[in-house]
Amino acid sequence: EVQLLESGGGLVQSGGSLRLSCAASGFTFTSYAMSWVRQAPGKGLEWISTISGSGGGTYYADSVKGRFSISRDNSKDTLSLQMNSLRAEDTAIYYCAKVRVLTAVRGGYFDYWGQGTLVIVSA
Amino acid sequence: DIQMTQSPSSLSASVGDRVTIACRASQSISPYLNWYQQKPGKAPKLLIYTASTLQGGVPSRFSGNGSGTDFTLTISSLQPEDFATYYCQQSYSTPLYTFGPGTKLEIK
Repeated sequence: EVQLLESGGGLVQSGGSLRLSCAASGFTFTSYAMSWVRQAPGKGLEWISTISGSGGGTYYADSVKGRFSISRDNSKDTLSLQMNSLRAEDTAIYYCAKVRVLTAVRGGYFDYWGQGTLVIVSA
Repeated sequence: DIQMTQSPSSLSASVGDRVTIACRASQSISPYLNWYQQKPGKAPKLLIYTASTLQGGVPSRFSGNGSGTDFTLTISSLQPEDFATYYCQQSYSTPLYTFGPGTKLEIK
């Protein structure tokens, strides 16, 4: 059974940093890209970052580029998101998701999601 | 960047109704369109990928259709557990993704 368990959320001051983790189990972690998706209170879903299975490719939404860094430890089946220079608008539930990709350049979809971890950035 | 819109933003319907939710992309993305269901306080759940392929375990009352820039999610006969918010997502620009703003399906 695929399981994704996020941790590391909490309350942080504006300008501060936080590191989120996602522990994966139930699948061959290194074979799949992984993503982070966030959801601000009462708002919709926002994709923020994806990392390839090897970790060699990383991709970011413009809203977090230069402030957030995605990484993975394939020896520990763990995905991470380092968040720096946090702003009030980064307040959200952060979900990690397993990505299946149909081709090398098209057709990814998020087939499993964690339950999320809440990040609150105080002004 | 590819932008996604959904209509309606909210919808009231009754158990047993047939409902359709629309999703439009700012450019052709066919067939790289996915649908997710999210219930309050829960993580999103994949329903359909590549416009019309049902994810395993998803009831057959859900179906997806469309091509080019215009796509639909149809629920043929609403069940009580279907009241939720639905999001479309483009994966044409994988590994960069965009979600639609969501459609909240409420009980009439």
